Amino acid sequence: DQQVKQNSPSLSVQEGRISILNCDYTNSMFDYFLWYKKYPAEGPTFLISISSIKDKNEDGRFTVFLNKSAKHLSLHIVPSQPGDSAVYFCAASGFEETSGSRLTFGEGTQLTVNP
Amino acid sequence: DADVTQTPRNRITKTGKRIMLECSQTKGHDRMYWYRQDPGLGLRLIYYSFDVKDINKGEISDGYSVSRQAQAKFSLSLESAIPNQTALYFCATSATGRDRGPYNEQFFGPGTRLTVL
Repeated sequence: DQQVKQNSPSLSVQEGRISILNCDYTNSMFDYFLWYKKYPAEGPTFLISISSIKDKNEDGRFTVFLNKSAKHLSLHIVPSQPGDSAVYFCAASGFEETSGSRLTFGEGTQLTVNP
Repeated sequence: DADVTQTPRNRITKTGKRIMLECSQTKGHDRMYWYRQDPGLGLRLIYYSFDVKDINKGEISDGYSVSRQAQAKFSLSLESAIPNQTALYFCATSATGRDRGPYNEQFFGPGTRLTVL
């Protein structure tokens, strides 16, 4: 039972254009959502997050949008740069009482930004 | 220096062998986690520990065991390795109490690539 799903295993975009990575979840108890970025031979690193009380959070070139009714979130990268090429994981968490701070991860999307 | 370190970084072993993967952290976090990553499956939680006396199974704990030797050390053991345990293994930590943000942000080590022949 995949509670967090990233349906696109890969995405390729041109440098300077927008990258949109999508994530869907099924567990209505999830209240916090995070995006992690992973380069080869390194561990995942935290990128950006959003609480369910918001529908948008922006940090520089990165914006995360949350549609709670659709149980869908997306990560927008504008403009995309070659250094953004990495695997992006979507993750979700519930309140401490419900999940004990565990994160549930999606399958990941390999983003390639072409010069 | 890295805040979360894992040893070894790469390991090739044979079916039936006992393997231990080690994780150390200097972040002062109480909570530690072990994940495995497989292509197309993302990161899946094996075990987690909220303090030295607390050990919990994750979603795929069969075939694995853990030991929390100290606040800073959390090791993962494969008692009798099998080929489908070939994967990339990550250790992670997170904070509690006043240092803990609402997002349960976890900090990952660089990973151990394990191959079981």
